[in-house]
This record gives sequence, structure tokens and C-alpha cells, in this order.
Amino acid sequence: NAGVMQNPRHLVRRRGQEARLRCSPMKGHSHVYWYRQLPEEGLKFMVYLQKENIIDESGMPKERFSAEFPKEGPSILRIQQVVRGDSAAYFCASSPPAAYEQYFGPGTRLTVT
Amino acid sequence: GIQVEQSPPDLILQEGANSTLRCNFSDSVNNLQWFHQNPWGQLINLFYIPSGTKQNGRLSATTVATERYSLLYISSSQTTDSGVYFCAVEPSSGTYKYIFGTGTRLKVLA
Repeated sequence: NAGVMQNPRHLVRRRGQEARLRCSPMKGHSHVYWYRQLPEEGLKFMVYLQKENIIDESGMPKERFSAEFPKEGPSILRIQQVVRGDSAAYFCASSPPAAYEQYFGPGTRLTVT
Repeated sequence: GIQVEQSPPDLILQEGANSTLRCNFSDSVNNLQWFHQNPWGQLINLFYIPSGTKQNGRLSATTVATERYSLLYISSSQTTDSGVYFCAVEPSSGTYKYIFGTGTRLKVLA
């Protein structure tokens, strides 16, 4: 049973470019969460999605960031016009319906040059 | 919002030593998890423990939800235990999002 998968594992973008981060939840999981970890800090919640619905995006910056979890395919976190402050590790987690334990993927390390 | 504090912030142990890591939270929670972030940055689920006590090999955890704390015990530590240990809580407001603590950075020396 494969775990949560994220790709790419490492992503380098120049300032002003777009970054697309992908997350495939564990089989049978329909809830996806995105977290961001800045260097030397803990993880901070960004957004919680179910299939085709954003449930809670209270932790996501209102500009340049968006997330989706389509009916088919992985969840996507999209960052437009990246800036150096976006450099961080982005983790995705998933959980089954009506359960609260979250399982984390290996993360995508974004570096903005 | 809820505050999650972990102690100690840093810990250095000799291989074979035991340790206790603490997580205090300022409000009631529905759920609590402990994670180990290894030196390569991967997050490993250790325990899902909203209350009670669980054991897994050399690790065990206890959560006393009514007193708003959780403890992680590491016995006979090994160098592979090095990394950062996080606790994360889901507040009782039912938001489904986890709030992570500040972490305990552990280094185990051979």
C-alpha cells in the first residue's frame, strides 16, 4: 500500500515563475491537507481539501497561492510569481473520511533563486 | 488560537540513554500526533494518541488530555533517533487542521 506521494521532491524556480506541487493521497483517502515548513520552523497549515472542494484555506496566503483536488488526479498546490520568501518545504498529508490521523508525504523542497 | 509548546527545545544524549519529551497545549484538543522528522527532512508518524498510552518498540507515548499535555518516551536511544520530534494537535473547535509544536531537536551521540 503506497504512502502519500509528492512530486517533484525538489523544485528550483526563479523569481516570478510559477511553481506547481503535486500530491497523490494514500489509496482510499479523500481528504488532503497542505502544510508549509520554513527553515528551522515547525509546519504551518495552509489548506484542507476534499475531492472538488476546498474546506478550509485559512492558512493560505490570499494572493499568488491556490490549491485544487480534482475528481480525478492528484491535488495541486500552485504558487504564481514566486518570491524568495516562498522557499520552504511543502508537505501534503491525507486521511480517510471520518478519521483524524494524518499521513504525510516526503515533501517538496522549493528553492526560489 | 491554541498554543503548542514542546520541551526541551534541544537535547543531546549518549547512545543507550533514555529521555522524555513533553508537549503542552493551551486548549482542549480532539486529536494529537507525534512525528519524527529525520535529518533528510522526512516526517514519520510515531503515534496517533488523543488520549491514553501507547507503545511501539523503544518508544511510548502518553496523553493526558484533561491536563493538556503529552509525553514521548525514548528508551535505549540510538543514533538513528536523531532529528526533530514534533507534536501536533487538532483543536476541539473541529477545524481538522493540525497545529504543530515548536519541536525538540534531538542528537544522539555514538
